[in-house]
Amino acid sequence: SAVISQKPSRDICQRGTSLTIQCQVDSQVTMMFWYRQQPGQSLTLIATANQGSEATYESGFVIDKFPISRPNLTFSTLTVSNMSPEDSSIYLCSVRGQGPYGYTFGSGTRLTVV
Amino acid sequence: QKEVEQNSGPLSVPEGAIASLNCTYSDRGSQSFFWYRQYSGKSPELIMSIYSNGDKEDGRFTAQLNKASQYVSLLIRDSQPSDSATYLCAVPMDSNYQLIWGAGTKLIIKP
Repeated sequence: SAVISQKPSRDICQRGTSLTIQCQVDSQVTMMFWYRQQPGQSLTLIATANQGSEATYESGFVIDKFPISRPNLTFSTLTVSNMSPEDSSIYLCSVRGQGPYGYTFGSGTRLTVV
Repeated sequence: QKEVEQNSGPLSVPEGAIASLNCTYSDRGSQSFFWYRQYSGKSPELIMSIYSNGDKEDGRFTAQLNKASQYVSLLIRDSQPSDSATYLCAVPMDSNYQLIWGAGTKLIIKP
């Protein structure tokens, strides 16, 4: 299964600023998924990122707030813009594997906005 | 609206006993099913996938799928304190490969 390197692992940011999260995959993948996970909650899909096209955002998430870059088949970034304390959460990237390998996750970014 | 449902728990099981985790899904056309384990502060890791009706065993873990009743379960035999985690059931939406996630069941193994 694919291995994903996600950076940063954690950050504390001032409100009103932006943070860019990076995910590097060790193999080429068509689709990458970005999730948010609030404490004690399940995963909420933010958007699906395909190489060479605009990301597809889920209800409640907009491109101006969460712009996504997908310049090639092994890399993607998610930016959390104009942050507020409500954006404090864990952000995860994920890729779809082949057959029984399911979906693999990056190690996550724990974001705290103060 | 396609849904995946799990009892959020917590489910408390004595060490050495069998832990049984259940998941139901709404889309009768679903073909694949995944169980993820998530330790506190960590990202989810895949522990079992199942595609066919019946049982699939991997070490102490057994996944059971019943498509007619639309449920999938995970059994953990000889439960260990290290099995204490949240277990998430996930089902792909075939149209776009997005996963639909259950709420997760928090499992506590008591020594």
